[in-house]
Amino acid sequence: AQSVTQLGSHVSVSEGALVLLRCNYSSSVPPYLFWYVQYPNQGLQLLLKYTTGATLVKGINGFEAEFKKSETSFHLTKPSAHMSDAAEYFCAVSGADAGNMLTFGGGTRLMVKP
Amino acid sequence: NAGVTQTPKFQVLKTGQSMTLQCAQDMNHNSMYWYRQDPGMGLRLIYYSASEGTTDKGEVPNGYNVSRLNKREFSLRLESAAPSQTSVYFCASTWGTDNTEAFFGQGTRLTVV
Repeated sequence: AQSVTQLGSHVSVSEGALVLLRCNYSSSVPPYLFWYVQYPNQGLQLLLKYTTGATLVKGINGFEAEFKKSETSFHLTKPSAHMSDAAEYFCAVSGADAGNMLTFGGGTRLMVKP
Repeated sequence: NAGVTQTPKFQVLKTGQSMTLQCAQDMNHNSMYWYRQDPGMGLRLIYYSASEGTTDKGEVPNGYNVSRLNKREFSLRLESAAPSQTSVYFCASTWGTDNTEAFFGQGTRLTVV
């Protein structure tokens, strides 16, 4: 069975500081990995995804994530936080061992201080 | 450019009442999903429809039923609502079940009292 763990349900950073949101997964087959963002009172939208190929993936709004198979991790980073980045972020995994269904982590709420 | 549309946006039910959440997508996607979102638990899959005419249970199907009315529409029904079903419900769609991007509706906030 596949699962996703997001370390830290709440992360607070200052504007301009590095953003690091952690995601670890378990999957018995090579996974597909996703980060979604949810702004208040809205649905989720895709930030970036890893399927195959280059392990450093760039997404929208300056975010990127690196797939590290040896660490079973897919951490999300952004060099400089902006106030508009305040939102909830979800890591998700899918793989053939779960019928390619998306399994989500518990989410991390990012707060950005002025 | 509507994408995925859910109705209603908000609903309050009394315990034991029934209701149907509606979802429609205009992207000609084959697969559709219903999730519930609860604090600290992320999104959990209730039911999904890999293609028109098929539906399957997800992680938390108890107390729910679904209907894939046609390729565009996928409804979720609560036959006898319980307080434990208080949640935010999201409908999503994908081209297939092969890890392409999922598109989400705006959500339905349901409170069962």
